[in-house]
Amino acid sequence: RKEVEQDPGPFNVPEGATVAFNCTYSNSASQSFFWYRQDCRKEPKLLMSVYSSGNEDGRFTAQLNRASQYISLLIRDSKLSDSATYLCVVKSGGSNYKLTFGKGTLLTVNP
Amino acid sequence: NAGVTQTPKFQVLKTGQSMTLQCAQDMNHEYMSWYRQDPGMGLRLIHYSVGAGITDQGEVPNGYNVSRSTTEDFPLRLLSAAPSQTSVYFCASMHLGQGREKGSDGYTFGSGTRLTVV
Repeated sequence: RKEVEQDPGPFNVPEGATVAFNCTYSNSASQSFFWYRQDCRKEPKLLMSVYSSGNEDGRFTAQLNRASQYISLLIRDSKLSDSATYLCVVKSGGSNYKLTFGKGTLLTVNP
Repeated sequence: NAGVTQTPKFQVLKTGQSMTLQCAQDMNHEYMSWYRQDPGMGLRLIHYSVGAGITDQGEVPNGYNVSRSTTEDFPLRLLSAAPSQTSVYFCASMHLGQGREKGSDGYTFGSGTRLTVV
């Protein structure tokens, strides 16, 4: 089993749609969880951290379910500028500095 | 501007050639790492370092060497390039103390080096 697995995508949605990304991780000792965004031919950039209590940043909501080892990202009222690859990232508990990336899910928001 | 600087941005090599990808950061970060990104594979860790004089292997270290003689620099060496090493390479750094704070990521990525081996 891969350490971090994401929906393979790609997702094509119209502007204004709600889109959800799902991710699972295999290491139950993992302690920190993130969603990164990567634009075409650019470096990954942190979008938001993910907590068990859930966290929201404007149109973006991230959720962590430790029992199911499941992470999600919800984007509401999607914009053209949301088009990018979304990466699920887990920081392993043992070292707390090495990041393990999912393969990413490509989102295209269409006008 | 503070950050992680990678050079070159693009490179084409012939099979068997050697080269060094440069990575430098001016944030006094202890931790530095190299990732490669291939289509459909996500980012995979090649080598990392938690301080000057200390390096360790990541998930895909074969064919690459690193050294960390200073805090600022973490070069990645390809001793004998192979077509399988065609990829985009990212260097990332982090202050270790910052990484332990809840919710803190602290990773700063360079803009990447696109390497083609023919």
